[in-house]
Amino acid sequence: EAGVAQSPRYKIIEKRQSVAFWCNPISGHATLYWYQQILGQGPKLLIQFQNNGVVDDSQLPKDRFSAERLKGVDSTLKIQPAKLEDSAVYLCASLLAGEPYTQYFGPGTRLTVL
Amino acid sequence: AQKITQTQPGMFVQEKEAVTLDCTYDTSDQSYGLFWYKQPSSGEMIFLIYQGSYDEQNATEGRYSLNFQKARKSANLVISASQLGDSAMYFCAMREGQEGYALNFGKGTSLLVTP
Repeated sequence: EAGVAQSPRYKIIEKRQSVAFWCNPISGHATLYWYQQILGQGPKLLIQFQNNGVVDDSQLPKDRFSAERLKGVDSTLKIQPAKLEDSAVYLCASLLAGEPYTQYFGPGTRLTVL
Repeated sequence: AQKITQTQPGMFVQEKEAVTLDCTYDTSDQSYGLFWYKQPSSGEMIFLIYQGSYDEQNATEGRYSLNFQKARKSANLVISASQLGDSAMYFCAMREGQEGYALNFGKGTSLLVTP
């Protein structure tokens, strides 16, 4: 079974530029998460989707971040305009329904904002 | 307030020895789940082991076991017979409530296995 796919793996941009990340969850996983992991910290939730609906985006900086999951499968996360403090790894995860409700993570996208 | 606390920023262990990575948590929910993930330098978070709040027995998965002490709110990871490939960051995480709630992660512990 294929895992969670993410692209690109690495991205370097200058501040005030825009960037987009893509995630393809494990087939059949209805719930999808985007986490931000700043260097030296654990991942922090940005947004959670159930199919194509948003479940939780309370920690998403909506003035610059946006995310969508139009057909309930792939998802994109966009930052516009980027700030230096957005430098982090962006992890996508999808959920296997049923106990123990384990989240499976993709390889992440490492973003550097100069 | 921090929901997951990992007090060991870094740990060393010799190959073939056992090591315990500490994790304490804070929740007022009766139903919750505790997870451990491994993050090698490649960056991917790899699921290791899970313990549910109602599970009476400590979880085990191969060389990994979870020492769950509910009254003390601790969920320590024990890795037996360490291997060089175990060198990585290890994160403790908690899901409060049931189903698909997001995970709260600790800051992680860096484990280095030496020959």
